[in-house]
Amino acid sequence: NAGVMQNPRHLVRRRGQEARLRCSPMKGHSHVYWYRQLPEEGLKFMVYLQKENIIDESGMPKERFSAEFPKEGPSILRIQQVVRGDSAAYFCASSLTPNTGELFFGEGSRLTVL
Amino acid sequence: AQTVTQSQPEMSVQEAETVTLSCTYDTSESDYYLFWYKQPPSRQMILVIRQEAYKQQNATENRFSVNFQKAAKSFSLKISDSQLGDAAMYFCAYRSNQAGTALIFGKGTTLSVSS
Repeated sequence: NAGVMQNPRHLVRRRGQEARLRCSPMKGHSHVYWYRQLPEEGLKFMVYLQKENIIDESGMPKERFSAEFPKEGPSILRIQQVVRGDSAAYFCASSLTPNTGELFFGEGSRLTVL
Repeated sequence: AQTVTQSQPEMSVQEAETVTLSCTYDTSESDYYLFWYKQPPSRQMILVIRQEAYKQQNATENRFSVNFQKAAKSFSLKISDSQLGDAAMYFCAYRSNQAGTALIFGKGTTLSVSS
């Protein structure tokens, strides 16, 4: 019974390249959340998606960042034209329902921009 | 907007001793959830304990317990009989009971455990 699966675990990109981070939620979960964690900081909410819908993207930068959760396949967080400030750990979490409380987290994807 | 504040960036405790991590939050809602998550060096976020705001009884999970003071908007975590494996960063988090809201995290407290 796999938990939340994120890949890649580590990703290195040069400035200006694109980064794609994938998240497969726990089996049966249709609610996915992306968070970003900068060094020595807490997790900052970025976006909340249900299957095929973005519900809340209030924490996501307006430019260069996008997220999707298609009917089939994992959720993807896409960062275009990466800059050094995008270097961080990106965590995905999923929940069974939208308001039961607990989120289950993946192990995170660490993005390093050179 | 809700906020979560952890005023202790670092704490330390000796093995077998007890330590309390502080957390306060700000909200105008009456129904919500509170959580403590642990993040060890592996970086995986692990749920330690949760509390529903409508429950007056403090949650406990083995050596972990909380002191939930709803009126004071305080939610501290007590770790009893501390073990070396408890060393990690601990995050307090808030979630509204409204559908589709995300967890709001504090900045974390780094706990070190010495033998």
